[in-house]
Amino acid sequence: EAEVAQSPRYKITEKSQAVAFWCDPISGHATLYWYRQILGQGPELLVQFQDESVVDDSQLPKDRFSAERLKGVDSTLKIQPAELGDSAMYLCASSHLGGGGPRADQYFGPGTRLLVL
Amino acid sequence: KNQVEQSPQSLIILEGKNCTLQCNYTVSPFSNLRWYKQDTGRGPVSLTIMTFSENTKSNGRYTATLDADTKQSSLHITASQLSDSASYICVVGLSGGYQKVTFGTGTKLQVIP
Repeated sequence: EAEVAQSPRYKITEKSQAVAFWCDPISGHATLYWYRQILGQGPELLVQFQDESVVDDSQLPKDRFSAERLKGVDSTLKIQPAELGDSAMYLCASSHLGGGGPRADQYFGPGTRLLVL
Repeated sequence: KNQVEQSPQSLIILEGKNCTLQCNYTVSPFSNLRWYKQDTGRGPVSLTIMTFSENTKSNGRYTATLDADTKQSSLHITASQLSDSASYICVVGLSGGYQKVTFGTGTKLQVIP
C-alpha cells in the first residue's frame, strides 16, 4: 500500500540553526499539506500545495518558515532560524483532491519530531 | 468561527469494554466529518468519513455516527483492545474549493489490561 514518506523521523537542533524536512506524497496525489502538531493538540495547517502552487499559507510564519514543491511532487519545509517554540511534530499529508470534500481524504506520513534546544 | 470540540479530553478503560467519544462542531458550510486514529509518535490514520447524508459508518469495531442537525458526531469502540490506545481526532471538512478542514484537539484513549 502506498504511503507518504517523511525524513528525517527525528531532528534535534539548537536554536538559531536551520532545519529542513522532506516529504514524498503518495504517487498521483496533487495536493500536499504540511502540518505542525504540538503535543496534546490537533494538527495545525502550515501550508497547502496544489501541484507546485501554494493555495494556503495563511498560518505559515513566513519570517522563518518556507516551503516549496518545485516539480509538484516532493516537498521541503525549512525553518531558519529555529526557535525553542518550534519544537513539535511536523506532519506531511497528501490527497488526490484538494479542499474539504469527501473525496479529499488525507493520508499522513509518520511525521518528523523536532526538538529545539 | 469554525471549531471542532472533542470530549472527553482523555479516557482510560479496561480491555474488552466499550467506549464512546464525542465530537461537536460549528463548521459551515459542512461537507463531511472524518475520524482519525493517531498512535503516539505517528501520523493520523483515517477510520471513517461521513457526508451530510450519512448518519452511521462502521470500520470493524469502530462505528461513527453523525447528526448533522445537532452538529454532533460520536465514535463508538466495541470490545476494546490494547492496540486501541491512541488519540482519536475528529476532523470536519468544508465544502467548496480549497477551504480548510478543521481539526479537533483529540481524545486520548488508554486501554489497560
